[in-house]
Amino acid sequence: KAGVTQTPRYLIKTRGQQVTLSCSPISGHRSVSWYQQTPGQGLQFLFEYFSETQRNKGNFPGRFSGRQFSNSRSEMNVSTLELGDSALYLCASSLDFRTGLAGNTDTQYFGPGTRLTVL
Amino acid sequence: QKEVEQDPGPLSVPEGAIVSLNCTYSNSAFQYFMWYRQYSRKGPELLMYTYSSGNKEDGRFTAQVDKSSKYISLFIRDSQPSDSATYLCAMSAGNTGKLIFGQGTTLQVKP
Repeated sequence: KAGVTQTPRYLIKTRGQQVTLSCSPISGHRSVSWYQQTPGQGLQFLFEYFSETQRNKGNFPGRFSGRQFSNSRSEMNVSTLELGDSALYLCASSLDFRTGLAGNTDTQYFGPGTRLTVL
Repeated sequence: QKEVEQDPGPLSVPEGAIVSLNCTYSNSAFQYFMWYRQYSRKGPELLMYTYSSGNKEDGRFTAQVDKSSKYISLFIRDSQPSDSATYLCAMSAGNTGKLIFGQGTTLQVKP
């Protein structure tokens, strides 16, 4: 079974531009979560989508947005890029990561990430 | 104070050593605990998954969760140079699709 794929793998942008990143989950997985990873802050949750609906959102400004399509593929968009947005952006998929279900073994599987550099 | 604390290391051990990695947390609502391994320039790879308190073993890896102390551990037996990576603990309160990660511990296993 193919893993989570992310495109592009590397991006270089300048301040003020916007960027769109894409994530294709594992076949059959309906939940997609996005994370930002930086050396200083580590991995931080951006948002999670399930069945084209955003179910949860982290503490990031409105410049960060996302969406999910009917085939579960997801995109995230960052507008008005700032230098501090330089990071590895990771997406993770799961069947349905509702950990409130006792014994639920669904877990999040990560893609290789998109390395974004803002100059 | 961060919700999840993890010593970033680096931790350097000789091949064959037993490695102990750990995290502490403050949110008593966390019920699900995971360990991920991340190699340089790669995405995190799930190693272990534990629900609530207890131990779980998988090959050379053992995960322990002590909810009363808000403390989780990962033990690696007979460590190998290929185990050299960053190890991330992650946890969730449930029903959120949101994982809270530790800072990650960088491990180097020397031949």
